Amino acid sequence: DAGVTQSPTHLIKTRGQQVTLRCSPKSGHDTVSWYQQALGQGPQFIFQYYEEEERQRGNFPDRFSGHQFPNYSSELNVNALLLGDSALYLCASSLYTAGVAFFGQGTRLTVV
Amino acid sequence: GDSVTQMEGPVTLSEEAFLTINCTYTATGYPSLFWYVQYPGEGLQLLLKATKADDKGSNKGFEATYRKETTSFHLEKGSVQVSDSAVYFCAPAERSGSEKLVFGKGTKLTVNP
Repeated sequence: DAGVTQSPTHLIKTRGQQVTLRCSPKSGHDTVSWYQQALGQGPQFIFQYYEEEERQRGNFPDRFSGHQFPNYSSELNVNALLLGDSALYLCASSLYTAGVAFFGQGTRLTVV
Repeated sequence: GDSVTQMEGPVTLSEEAFLTINCTYTATGYPSLFWYVQYPGEGLQLLLKATKADDKGSNKGFEATYRKETTSFHLEKGSVQVSDSAVYFCAPAERSGSEKLVFGKGTKLTVNP
């Protein structure tokens, strides 16, 4: 079992650009959640996808959007990047019916 | 919404010392409670969990008991090792569909030989 895999591991983007991060959930999981972890802080919930729909959303602007595919994998898109978007982006997968969340290694995004 | 307050770090201990990291939470419902650990440069790993009052979660020598009356979930280990050096996060999970985790700032633990 490969666990939760995220790509890329590191990314450098310029302010104003757009970025797409990818996540493959753990085998058997149907729900993907995304978190943003700024340096020295705890992860903050961005949103959660189940059955290809956004089910819950945290306090993030519309610049943050996502998608879930029929194979349960997911993408996180961020438009009009700001310097403050620099963070570790974590993907977590679980079962929608009350499962434990398993995290990937994260994507380190640096906006310059 | 739910929130969590963790003991401020950093915490520095000698090997074989006793560890306690305090965690209290506020929740509108009856959350599940989790401890996650993050080693340097890595994602989060589930350490232990408890889903109802008085449940004790345990793993790798770490323990935490779900105390509903005091809304606490303190993490303990009787004898820490250098390899336990990491950041520890307490997280209640809001029960609205699949569980949404609410994290605090975490507690950084350094164990010296």
